Amino acid sequence: AQSVTQLDSHVSVSEGTPVLLRCNYSSSYSPSLFWYVQHPNKGLQLLLKYTSAATLVKGINGFEAEFKKSETSFHLTKPSAHMSDAAEYFCVVRTAGGTSYGKLTFGQGTILTVHP
Amino acid sequence: NAGVMQNPRHLVRRRGQEARLRCSPMKGHSHVYWYRQLPEEGLKFMVYLQKENIIDESGMPKERFSAEFPKEGPSILRIQQVVRGDSAAYFCASSPLPAVDGNTIYFGEGSWLTVV
Repeated sequence: AQSVTQLDSHVSVSEGTPVLLRCNYSSSYSPSLFWYVQHPNKGLQLLLKYTSAATLVKGINGFEAEFKKSETSFHLTKPSAHMSDAAEYFCVVRTAGGTSYGKLTFGQGTILTVHP
Repeated sequence: NAGVMQNPRHLVRRRGQEARLRCSPMKGHSHVYWYRQLPEEGLKFMVYLQKENIIDESGMPKERFSAEFPKEGPSILRIQQVVRGDSAAYFCASSPLPAVDGNTIYFGEGSWLTVV
């Protein structure tokens, strides 16, 4: 079984300051991990993905995440927040076995607020 | 190449009516997934379909919900005799292959169902 825990339901930062959104996962196999962003009443946009290649993954809009197997973590960071980053972020793990490839397990989400 | 198309984007139904949500996957994609997002929650897997086959429906409620992906036309998620608890955003996603490592699942913009 797989699970994802996003450690903060809300994160608030000032524009121009660093962003850290925390995610821990549990997986029986080597996982594929993703971060998606959802703006209000919009669909999901893929920010970045880890699929057993480099442990430091760079995504769109200046975001990156580091896969740390020893800590079972996949935290999302950005050096400098922008107002347009305000949204909800989901950490996601992909089912690695059986016939249900693509069955994604979502974390509860972290709402990021960016203050001017 | 158009993305995953869902319609209607917003649907209002009275209790006891039927709701039909449609999803056209990206061109060339033959695998479709449906997810539900209840208020204040992350996305939960419902069903995984290939053309004319249901691969995994472990996340579907046992009653009133059904899904299909016919040889021609969009995938349909059907909810019979809707109740207020069915009010949610329903997201469709597609992929070109069983989403093995490296493949990405692409999401539509969602269909928001409100039951009054």
